[in-house]
Amino acid sequence: EAGVAQSPRYKIIEKRQSVAFWCNPISGHATLYWYQQILGQGPKLLIQFQNNGVVDDSQLPKDRFSAERLKGVDSTLKIQPAKLEDSAVYLCASSLGRGDEQFFGPGTRLTVL
Amino acid sequence: AQKITQTQPGMFVQEKEAVTLDCTYDTSDQSYGLFWYKQPSSGEMIFLIYQGSYDEQNATEGRYSLNFQKARKSANLVISASQLGDSAMYFCAMSPWGGATNKLIFGTGTLLAVQP
Repeated sequence: EAGVAQSPRYKIIEKRQSVAFWCNPISGHATLYWYQQILGQGPKLLIQFQNNGVVDDSQLPKDRFSAERLKGVDSTLKIQPAKLEDSAVYLCASSLGRGDEQFFGPGTRLTVL
Repeated sequence: AQKITQTQPGMFVQEKEAVTLDCTYDTSDQSYGLFWYKQPSSGEMIFLIYQGSYDEQNATEGRYSLNFQKARKSANLVISASQLGDSAMYFCAMSPWGGATNKLIFGTGTLLAVQP
């Protein structure tokens, strides 16, 4: 069974630029999560989707971050414009359903200069 | 608000010895799950073990066991017979049940170094 796929693995941009990350969850997984992990901290949930609907986006900085999950499969997370403090690893995870084990992708390491 | 506290930023252990990684949590929920994840230097989060708040027996998965003390709100991870490949960052996490979200709330992690 293929795991959660994410791309790109690394991205370096300058502040005020835009960036997008892509996630393809495990086939059949209805729930998809985006976490932000700042260096030295544990991951923090940005947004959770159930199929193509948003379950929780309370910690998503909506003035600059957006996410979508069209057709309830893969998802994109966008930052526009990026700030220095957005430098982090962005982890995508998926689970079969809301209460099931979450499987994580390899992450995208973003550096904002 | 829910919170996970890991007070050990770093730990050393000799190969083949056992090590305990501490985790305490704070929640007003009656139903929740507790998790441990391993994060090697490559960055992926690897699920290790799970304990439900109503489980009376401590969870075990191979060399991993979770020492669950509900009254003290602690969920320590015990790794027996440490191996060099166990060197990694370890995160304790919790997830509420029954609400709209089952997001994982993570602690700050413990960096484990296994010495030969």
